Amino acid sequence: GEDVEQSLFLSVREGDSSVINCTYTDSSSTYLYWYKQEPGAGLQLLTYIFSNMDMKQDQRLTVLLNKKDKHLSLRIADTQTGDSAIYFCAERKERSYNQGGKLIFGQGTELSVKP
Amino acid sequence: SQTIHQWPATLVQPVGSPLSLECTVEGTSNPNLYWYRQAAGRGLQLLFYSIGIDQISSEVPQNLSASRPQDRQFILSSKKLLLSDSGFYLCAWSVLSGGLRDTQYFGPGTRLTVL
Repeated sequence: GEDVEQSLFLSVREGDSSVINCTYTDSSSTYLYWYKQEPGAGLQLLTYIFSNMDMKQDQRLTVLLNKKDKHLSLRIADTQTGDSAIYFCAERKERSYNQGGKLIFGQGTELSVKP
Repeated sequence: SQTIHQWPATLVQPVGSPLSLECTVEGTSNPNLYWYRQAAGRGLQLLFYSIGIDQISSEVPQNLSASRPQDRQFILSSKKLLLSDSGFYLCAWSVLSGGLRDTQYFGPGTRLTVL
Protein backbone atom coordinates (compact mmCIF):
# COMPACT_ATOMS: atom_id res chain seq x y z
CA GLY A 1 0.00 0.00 0.00
CA GLU A 2 0.85 3.67 0.09
CA ASP A 3 0.73 4.22 3.85
CA VAL A 4 3.33 6.33 5.58
CA GLU A 5 3.05 5.62 9.28
CA GLN A 6 3.79 7.76 12.32
CA SER A 7 2.84 7.54 15.95
CA LEU A 8 0.11 10.08 16.72
CA PHE A 9 1.42 11.69 19.92
CA LEU A 10 4.69 12.49 21.66
CA SER A 11 5.13 14.39 24.91
CA VAL A 12 8.49 15.68 26.15
CA ARG A 13 9.80 18.14 28.72
CA GLU A 14 11.34 21.44 27.70
CA GLY A 15 15.08 21.05 27.17
CA ASP A 16 14.90 17.32 26.40
CA SER A 17 15.42 15.84 22.94
CA SER A 18 12.42 14.76 20.88
CA VAL A 19 12.55 11.91 18.40
CA ILE A 20 9.70 11.54 15.93
CA ASN A 21 9.65 8.35 13.89
CA CYS A 22 8.18 7.48 10.52
CA THR A 23 8.09 4.39 8.32
CA TYR A 24 7.53 4.72 4.60
CA THR A 25 6.70 2.24 1.92
CA ASP A 26 8.52 2.84 -1.32
CA SER A 27 12.21 1.98 -1.49
CA SER A 28 12.44 3.96 -4.72
CA SER A 29 11.35 7.20 -3.04
CA THR A 30 13.94 9.83 -3.83
CA TYR A 31 13.11 12.60 -1.35
CA LEU A 32 11.78 12.35 2.18
CA TYR A 33 10.45 15.38 4.02
CA TRP A 34 9.52 16.69 7.42
CA TYR A 35 6.84 19.37 7.68
CA LYS A 36 5.67 21.27 10.76
CA GLN A 37 2.09 22.48 11.26
CA GLU A 38 1.25 24.91 14.03
CA PRO A 39 -2.40 25.28 15.09
CA GLY A 40 -4.55 26.88 12.41
CA ALA A 41 -1.66 27.26 9.98
CA GLY A 42 -0.43 25.62 6.81
CA LEU A 43 2.42 23.14 6.62
CA GLN A 44 5.93 24.56 6.86
CA LEU A 45 8.77 22.64 5.22
CA LEU A 46 11.27 21.91 8.01
CA THR A 47 13.85 19.78 6.31
CA TYR A 48 14.32 17.08 3.72
CA ILE A 49 16.77 14.30 2.95
CA PHE A 50 17.76 12.66 -0.30
CA SER A 51 17.53 8.90 -0.41
CA ASN A 52 21.30 8.58 -1.00
CA MET A 53 22.01 10.15 2.41
CA ASP A 54 21.95 8.53 5.86
CA MET A 55 21.91 11.64 7.98
CA LYS A 56 21.34 15.36 7.70
CA GLN A 57 21.85 17.93 10.43
CA ASP A 58 20.47 21.45 10.43
CA GLN A 59 20.96 23.37 13.69
CA ARG A 60 18.74 21.63 16.30
CA LEU A 61 17.30 19.19 13.76
CA THR A 62 18.84 15.84 12.84
CA VAL A 63 17.26 13.56 10.26
CA LEU A 64 18.26 9.90 10.14
CA LEU A 65 17.37 7.63 7.25
CA ASN A 66 17.54 3.84 7.36
CA LYS A 67 16.75 2.72 3.83
CA LYS A 68 16.94 -0.96 4.65
CA ASP A 69 14.12 -0.65 7.17
CA LYS A 70 12.42 2.26 5.36
CA HIS A 71 12.60 4.24 8.58
CA LEU A 72 12.96 7.98 8.91
CA SER A 73 13.38 9.93 12.14
CA LEU A 74 13.51 13.57 13.16
CA ARG A 75 15.41 14.51 16.30
CA ILE A 76 14.89 17.94 17.82
CA ALA A 77 17.59 18.84 20.32
CA ASP A 78 16.84 21.10 23.31
CA THR A 79 13.10 21.05 22.58
CA GLN A 80 11.31 24.31 23.32
CA THR A 81 7.64 25.10 23.92
CA GLY A 82 7.62 26.77 20.51
CA ASP A 83 8.31 23.37 18.97
CA SER A 84 4.84 22.19 20.00
CA ALA A 85 3.09 21.36 16.73
CA ILE A 86 2.11 18.49 14.46
CA TYR A 87 4.99 17.02 12.47
CA PHE A 88 4.35 15.26 9.16
CA CYS A 89 6.73 13.04 7.29
CA ALA A 90 6.23 12.61 3.56
CA GLU A 91 7.80 10.59 0.76
CA ARG A 92 8.05 11.55 -2.88
CA LYS A 93 7.40 8.75 -5.24
CA GLU A 94 9.59 8.26 -8.27
CA ARG A 95 8.47 11.12 -10.40
CA SER A 96 6.58 10.75 -13.60
CA TYR A 97 5.54 13.85 -15.49
CA ASN A 98 1.82 13.25 -15.51
CA GLN A 99 1.77 12.37 -11.80
CA GLY A 100 2.64 15.92 -10.79
CA GLY A 101 5.28 14.84 -8.29
CA LYS A 102 2.81 13.68 -5.66
CA LEU A 103 3.82 13.31 -2.03
CA ILE A 104 2.50 10.68 0.33
CA PHE A 105 2.00 12.06 3.85
CA GLY A 106 1.83 10.34 7.20
CA GLN A 107 -0.95 11.14 9.66
CA GLY A 108 1.25 13.48 11.66
CA THR A 109 2.74 13.28 15.16
CA GLU A 110 1.48 15.83 17.66
CA LEU A 111 4.42 16.99 19.76
CA SER A 112 3.55 18.44 23.15
CA VAL A 113 6.35 20.20 25.05
CA LYS A 114 5.80 20.65 28.76
CA PRO A 115 7.65 23.38 30.68
CA SER B 1 11.18 34.89 -3.38
CA GLN B 2 8.05 32.82 -3.84
CA THR B 3 4.87 33.31 -1.86
CA ILE B 4 1.53 31.57 -1.88
CA HIS B 5 -1.75 33.14 -0.86
CA GLN B 6 -5.11 31.63 -0.06
CA TRP B 7 -8.39 33.46 0.19
CA PRO B 8 -10.51 33.59 2.28
CA ALA B 9 -8.85 32.53 5.53
CA THR B 10 -12.12 31.34 7.08
CA LEU B 11 -15.56 30.69 5.65
CA VAL B 12 -18.89 29.60 7.10
CA GLN B 13 -21.42 28.48 4.50
CA PRO B 14 -24.86 26.83 4.62
CA VAL B 15 -25.46 23.40 3.15
CA GLY B 16 -26.37 23.64 -0.52
CA SER B 17 -24.59 26.94 -1.14
CA PRO B 18 -21.80 27.33 -3.73
CA LEU B 19 -18.10 27.56 -2.90
CA SER B 20 -15.09 29.25 -4.42
CA LEU B 21 -11.66 29.16 -2.78
CA GLU B 22 -8.73 30.87 -4.42
CA CYS B 23 -5.02 30.17 -4.36
CA THR B 24 -2.37 32.33 -6.03
CA VAL B 25 1.39 31.90 -6.25
CA GLU B 26 3.91 34.66 -6.80
CA GLY B 27 7.55 34.54 -7.78
CA THR B 28 7.60 31.40 -9.91
CA SER B 29 6.39 30.29 -13.32
CA ASN B 30 4.58 27.15 -14.44
CA PRO B 31 4.37 25.55 -10.99
CA ASN B 32 2.59 22.33 -10.16
CA LEU B 33 -0.40 23.23 -7.98
CA TYR B 34 -2.26 21.11 -5.45
CA TRP B 35 -5.43 21.23 -3.36
CA TYR B 36 -5.56 19.21 -0.13
CA ARG B 37 -8.24 18.81 2.50
CA GLN B 38 -7.35 18.20 6.11
CA ALA B 39 -10.29 16.88 8.09
CA ALA B 40 -10.55 16.82 11.86
CA GLY B 41 -8.71 13.53 11.91
CA ARG B 42 -5.59 15.43 10.83
CA GLY B 43 -4.60 13.43 7.73
CA LEU B 44 -4.03 15.23 4.45
CA GLN B 45 -6.12 14.14 1.49
CA LEU B 46 -4.97 15.21 -1.97
CA LEU B 47 -8.01 16.44 -3.89
CA PHE B 48 -6.62 17.83 -7.15
CA TYR B 49 -3.31 18.59 -8.77
CA SER B 50 -2.45 20.57 -11.86
CA ILE B 51 0.65 20.52 -14.05
CA GLY B 52 -0.46 23.44 -16.24
CA ILE B 53 -3.26 25.79 -17.27
CA ASP B 54 -6.50 23.87 -17.72
CA GLN B 55 -4.72 20.60 -16.85
CA ILE B 56 -6.40 19.27 -13.72
CA SER B 57 -6.31 15.77 -12.27
CA SER B 58 -8.80 14.66 -9.67
CA GLU B 59 -7.63 12.21 -7.02
CA VAL B 60 -10.94 11.24 -5.46
CA PRO B 61 -14.56 11.41 -6.59
CA GLN B 62 -16.30 14.13 -4.67
CA ASN B 63 -18.55 17.14 -4.62
CA LEU B 64 -15.74 19.53 -5.56
CA SER B 65 -14.08 20.72 -8.76
CA ALA B 66 -10.92 22.68 -9.53
CA SER B 67 -9.87 25.06 -12.25
CA ARG B 68 -6.66 26.79 -13.26
CA PRO B 69 -7.56 29.75 -15.43
CA GLN B 70 -4.10 31.32 -15.17
CA ASP B 71 -0.60 29.93 -14.66
CA ARG B 72 -0.41 30.86 -10.98
CA GLN B 73 -4.07 30.72 -9.97
CA PHE B 74 -5.85 27.64 -8.70
CA ILE B 75 -9.52 27.66 -7.73
CA LEU B 76 -11.50 25.09 -5.77
CA SER B 77 -15.26 25.16 -6.31
CA SER B 78 -18.50 23.47 -5.49
CA LYS B 79 -22.03 24.06 -6.81
CA LYS B 80 -23.71 22.75 -3.65
CA LEU B 81 -21.84 22.24 -0.39
CA LEU B 82 -22.39 19.21 1.83
CA LEU B 83 -21.79 18.98 5.56
CA SER B 84 -18.93 16.59 4.83
CA ASP B 85 -17.12 19.32 2.88
CA SER B 86 -16.16 21.03 6.15
CA GLY B 87 -12.43 21.03 6.79
CA PHE B 88 -9.17 22.88 6.39
CA TYR B 89 -8.23 23.36 2.73
CA LEU B 90 -4.61 23.73 1.83
CA CYS B 91 -3.09 24.80 -1.46
CA ALA B 92 0.50 23.95 -2.34
CA TRP B 93 2.93 24.51 -5.19
CA SER B 94 6.09 22.86 -6.45
CA VAL B 95 8.61 23.46 -9.21
CA LEU B 96 9.14 21.17 -12.17
CA SER B 97 12.92 21.31 -12.37
CA GLY B 98 16.01 21.90 -10.29
CA GLY B 99 17.45 20.21 -7.25
CA LEU B 100 14.29 20.47 -5.17
CA ARG B 101 11.80 19.75 -7.90
CA ASP B 102 8.46 18.51 -6.63
CA THR B 103 9.12 19.75 -3.09
CA GLN B 104 5.78 21.17 -2.03
CA TYR B 105 5.30 24.53 -0.31
CA PHE B 106 2.00 25.19 1.39
CA GLY B 107 -0.26 28.19 1.74
CA PRO B 108 -1.82 29.33 5.03
CA GLY B 109 -5.06 27.40 4.44
CA THR B 110 -8.80 28.14 4.44
CA ARG B 111 -10.99 26.90 7.28
CA LEU B 112 -14.41 25.96 5.83
CA THR B 113 -17.37 25.22 8.07
CA VAL B 114 -20.57 24.01 6.43
CA LEU B 115 -23.66 24.32 8.64
